[in-house]
Amino acid sequence: NAGVTQTPKFQVLKTGQSMTLQCAQDMNHEYMSWYRQDPGMGLRLIHYSVGAGITDQGEVPNGYNVSRSTTEDFPLRLLSAAPSQTSVYFCASRRDGIGDQPQHFGDGTRLSIL
Amino acid sequence: AQKITQTQPGMFVQEKEAVTLDCTYDTSDPSYGLFWYKQPSSGEMIFLIYQGSYDQQNATEGRYSLNFQKARKSANLVISASQLGDSAMYFCAMRETGSARQLTFGSGTQLTVLP
Repeated sequence: NAGVTQTPKFQVLKTGQSMTLQCAQDMNHEYMSWYRQDPGMGLRLIHYSVGAGITDQGEVPNGYNVSRSTTEDFPLRLLSAAPSQTSVYFCASRRDGIGDQPQHFGDGTRLSIL
Repeated sequence: AQKITQTQPGMFVQEKEAVTLDCTYDTSDPSYGLFWYKQPSSGEMIFLIYQGSYDQQNATEGRYSLNFQKARKSANLVISASQLGDSAMYFCAMRETGSARQLTFGSGTQLTVLP
C-alpha cells in the first residue's frame, strides 16, 4: 500500500550543490508530476510526464531537470541549488489523462538551501 | 490572470457547525475538473472531492459537498458538522481537461475548528 514514495523527507544543501529528489509510485500510473509549495502560495507545477520517455515543463521549471526512464520513477534534479529553491516539494501521480482522476501525492520533501 | 482564487486566507468555525470555503476559477476550456485537497499540519495532500464541468449535480463525499455554480465560475467546498480534525489548509485546484498539464492550485484557506 505504498502509493507515491518520496525520498528524502528532509534535506539541507549549500548554495551551488546539486541533488536528486526521488519519487516512485507502485500504482502503474502513466502521469507523474512535481510541484513546489512555498508559504502563502498553492502548489506550483515544476515538470510533469505523461509516460515513460516523455516529459514537459510546468509553470516554474528553471533550475530543475527531470527524466522518466521507467513508469515507476520520476526523479527531480536540482542542478545548482539556490536559496530561492528552498521549498516543500511534492511528487504526484495519476492513472491517465481522463479528467476525473485525482492526483495521488507523496508526503513531500522539505528542502532548505543555505 | 490567476486561474484559481481563494479569497479567505483563514477561517474559523465552531465544532459541529457547517462551513463554506470559497473558490472561484477562470478558464476558457469548456471541459475542466475542479478538485479540493486537504493539507493537515503533518503536510500530506489528501484528495477530498471532484466536480466535472459537465456534471449535472453537485458532488458529495460524506461530510463534504461542492457547491458548483458554473455561470459564476465558483466551486465552494461545504463541510458539514465540522470536527476538530478538519483543522487544516484546504486547496482548490483545477485541471483543464483539454491539456496534459496537471493541476493549477489556489493559495489555500487555513481552517481552524474551535471546540
